Amino acid sequence: GAGVSQSPSNKVTEKGKDVELRCDPISGHTALYWYRQSLGQGLEFLIYFQGNSAPDKSGLPSDRFSAERTGGSVSTLTIQRTQQEDSAVYLCASSLVPGGNEQFFGPGTRLTVL
Amino acid sequence: QKEVEQNSGPLSVPEGAIASLNCTYSDRGSQSFFWYRQYSGKSPELIMFIYSNGDKEDGRFTAQLNKASQYVSLLIRDSQPSDSATYLCAADNTDKLIFGTGTRLQVFP
Repeated sequence: GAGVSQSPSNKVTEKGKDVELRCDPISGHTALYWYRQSLGQGLEFLIYFQGNSAPDKSGLPSDRFSAERTGGSVSTLTIQRTQQEDSAVYLCASSLVPGGNEQFFGPGTRLTVL
Repeated sequence: QKEVEQNSGPLSVPEGAIASLNCTYSDRGSQSFFWYRQYSGKSPELIMFIYSNGDKEDGRFTAQLNKASQYVSLLIRDSQPSDSATYLCAADNTDKLIFGTGTRLQVFP
């Protein structure tokens, strides 16, 4: 079956614009995670969903970041009023259930804020 | 702050040698540990996971876990140039994984 997909693969935007990043998890996976990875850095946890609920939003860097998940499937990460420091690769992962289980990663969206 | 620590490297080993990658974690409540491999410009892919103290072998890879010392390691035997990548260690924390910053491995011919 298909893996995790993300779109767009690359996004270049101007400072102050809003962007939406999309993640389509593996079918049947109830847990969905968003991470951010800056150049040469590790994975920074942003938020995770169990179904359509987000029990842990602790990693969202500011109130400019928000995410939603609908139908227990597709998730959208929205960054409002983008700043240059938001430039990074945004990775989405899904797992069958939350917790200590294997997470399968999508290819990521490379965001560049000019 | 729950943390997973790794030496950033690079760790350079000759082809055919054993590469040893190490990781420590701070949360004694963590039960599951994962090693992911990330090639440059690509997303992470799972190499191995381990839940129990001791060793777990899968082909050329062996994961080792010592919960008393809060230490996880990954051994790669007969290292190949294709093993050159960044290796990320992760520990579970409630319903998510906490990742280390990764160790860059370079295997030279």
